Amino acid sequence: EVQLVESGGGLVQPGGSLRLSCAASGFTVRSNYMSWVRQAPGKGLEWVSVIYSGGSTYYADSVKGRFTISRDNSKNTLYLQMNSLRAEDTAVYYCAREVERGGYFDYWGQGTLVTVSS
Amino acid sequence: DIQMTQSPSSLSASVGDRVTITCRASQTISSFLNWYQQKPGKAPKLLIYAASSLQSGVPSRFSGSGSGTDFTLTISSLQPEDFATYYCQQSYSTPSSFGQGTKLEIK
Repeated sequence: EVQLVESGGGLVQPGGSLRLSCAASGFTVRSNYMSWVRQAPGKGLEWVSVIYSGGSTYYADSVKGRFTISRDNSKNTLYLQMNSLRAEDTAVYYCAREVERGGYFDYWGQGTLVTVSS
Repeated sequence: DIQMTQSPSSLSASVGDRVTITCRASQTISSFLNWYQQKPGKAPKLLIYAASSLQSGVPSRFSGSGSGTDFTLTISSLQPEDFATYYCQQSYSTPSSFGQGTKLEIK
């Protein structure tokens, strides 16, 4: 059974850093496209970042230069390193598996809440 | 970047109704259009991919159509568990983008 479990969210001050983790089971992270999608409180979905099976990475303009997506193949885990956090980064962050040839997200984690506030 | 616009933003309907939600892309996206359902406090769930393909396990009352820039999600006969927020997503180009959502409420 495919499962994605995020962790690492919490309260952080503006300018601070946080690393989110997404532990996968039932499939191999390194062989799949993996994305982060976020949702600010009461708002819609916003794509954040993707890492392709080949290792290429892409970011939304809103997080470029501040966030870094990566994976640990030995742990079958996806990460999102978030630096220079701003109030507008406050959101529930979901990891999701992206189907390579279609670009849609077929499995999602339960989400982890990041709150940026002083 | 491609902008996705859904209409309506909210919709009131009754159990048994037929409902249609529209999604429009700011440029052509072929059939790279996907639909998700989200209930409060839960992760989104994939319903339809590639504009009209039903994801495994999703009831057949859900259907999708369209290509190019205009797409629709139709629920043929609303069930109580269908009251939720629906999002479209384009996967034609990076960055991927979502519509703003359509909240389907009980009348």
